[in-house]
Amino acid sequence: AQKVTQAQTEISVVEKEDVTLDCVYETRDTTYYLFWYKQPPSGELVFLIRRNSFDEQNEISGRYSWNFQKSTSSFNFTITASQVVDSAVYFCALSGTASKLTFGTGTRLQVTL
Amino acid sequence: NAGVTQTPKFQVLKTGQSMTLQCAQDMNHEYMSWYRQDPGMGLRLIHYSVGAGITDQGEVPNGYNVSRSTTEDFPLRLLSAAPSQTSVYFCASSPLPGRYEQYFGPGTRLTVT
Repeated sequence: AQKVTQAQTEISVVEKEDVTLDCVYETRDTTYYLFWYKQPPSGELVFLIRRNSFDEQNEISGRYSWNFQKSTSSFNFTITASQVVDSAVYFCALSGTASKLTFGTGTRLQVTL
Repeated sequence: NAGVTQTPKFQVLKTGQSMTLQCAQDMNHEYMSWYRQDPGMGLRLIHYSVGAGITDQGEVPNGYNVSRSTTEDFPLRLLSAAPSQTSVYFCASSPLPGRYEQYFGPGTRLTVT
């Protein structure tokens, strides 16, 4: 069975602070895919990034960056210089050979002025 | 291109009533799935389909039925609603199971009294 753990239930930061959201996963599959989704207060789910298990390169997209480390089974997400618009619930998710997407319980990020 | 659409947006049911949540996608995706989102539990997979005529159970299938007669539509049926089924329901689709991100509908908020 696969599992995703997001130990941080809620994080509060002041605007312009950097913040890292942790994601730890468990799977027996050798080929798998990791995802991050954002759920703003309006409720929709927004795809942020996908990473396959063979690609350990870190990725940067504007203020967002992702650090994938197979050795520690982690796929952490960092927001640099956070903004109020980053306030949302962020979900990490994992998909293996069974094609089922397993979500973590989410981290609620609150960015205040 | 409407993406993934869900109806209704809100629904209140009485215990024991049945209803169908509608989901449609216009992206010709083979893979479709239903999730429920409950506070503190992330999104949990109810049922999924890898193509027309093929469905399978996810993590929490009890009390729900699905069918997939066309590529576009994937309705979710509640057979006899219970208060434990009060939740937000999301439908999603993807071109290939597991490998690509899933595109989510806007959700249906269901309350069972």
